[in-house]
Amino acid sequence: QSLLTQPPSVSGAPGQRVTISCTGTSSNIGAGYDVHWYQHLPGTAPKLLIYGNNNRPSGVPDRFSGSKSGTSASLVINGLQAEDEADYYCQARDRGLRASVFGGGTKVTVL
Amino acid sequence: EVQLVESGGGLVKPGGSLRLSCAASGFTFNLHSMNWVRQAPGKGLEWVSTITSGGRYTYYADSLKGRVTISRDNAQNTLYLQLSGLSVEDTAVYYCARRELADVGDYFDLWGQGTLLTVSS
Repeated sequence: QSLLTQPPSVSGAPGQRVTISCTGTSSNIGAGYDVHWYQHLPGTAPKLLIYGNNNRPSGVPDRFSGSKSGTSASLVINGLQAEDEADYYCQARDRGLRASVFGGGTKVTVL
Repeated sequence: EVQLVESGGGLVKPGGSLRLSCAASGFTFNLHSMNWVRQAPGKGLEWVSTITSGGRYTYYADSLKGRVTISRDNAQNTLYLQLSGLSVEDTAVYYCARRELADVGDYFDLWGQGTLLTVSS
């Protein structure tokens, strides 16, 4: 069981907004560690989507945004597109494990 | 082109050993800490190991400690992961990933496509 909890799946129609939550504990997100998000299409290299809670690497569309509050974080996809259908993972450092931990992943389906 | 390319995966019997490799190109390899992350079939991502830029410090997930060794050859721009005492639970796609420091913590800003390790009799 992951230390960071994500919903297994979310879905939306093209153009809609979807939100993926990432719930942690006082040992990771609640300890002040930054949260990062990755997009992963099976068989391909995972791609960094958001780093430092709300920063987009060059080339990531601005319809992807991140936020963090307390022991949780969220990834929002505005204007959902067919190409956004993928698995999304949150990641943060854990103080107790002294290691990086990932959420269990959320599959986004575009209806 | 900035990229990481893993190799060395395959089919191994339980109890066996294997060394995975990750060739880096397009960036200054010896300036970055590097990592291995794995994904078992139907499961999420799991951090496996980290090695600092010069190779002095290494870190391992508790689930693999004692059975895995991370190393690097900065002259050859290559990262390695030696696995031993393999069990079916080690079956996964193994990714190498470049580490970057966040304001608080760290993240993985560049990933390879992965190499599949299957442990089966």
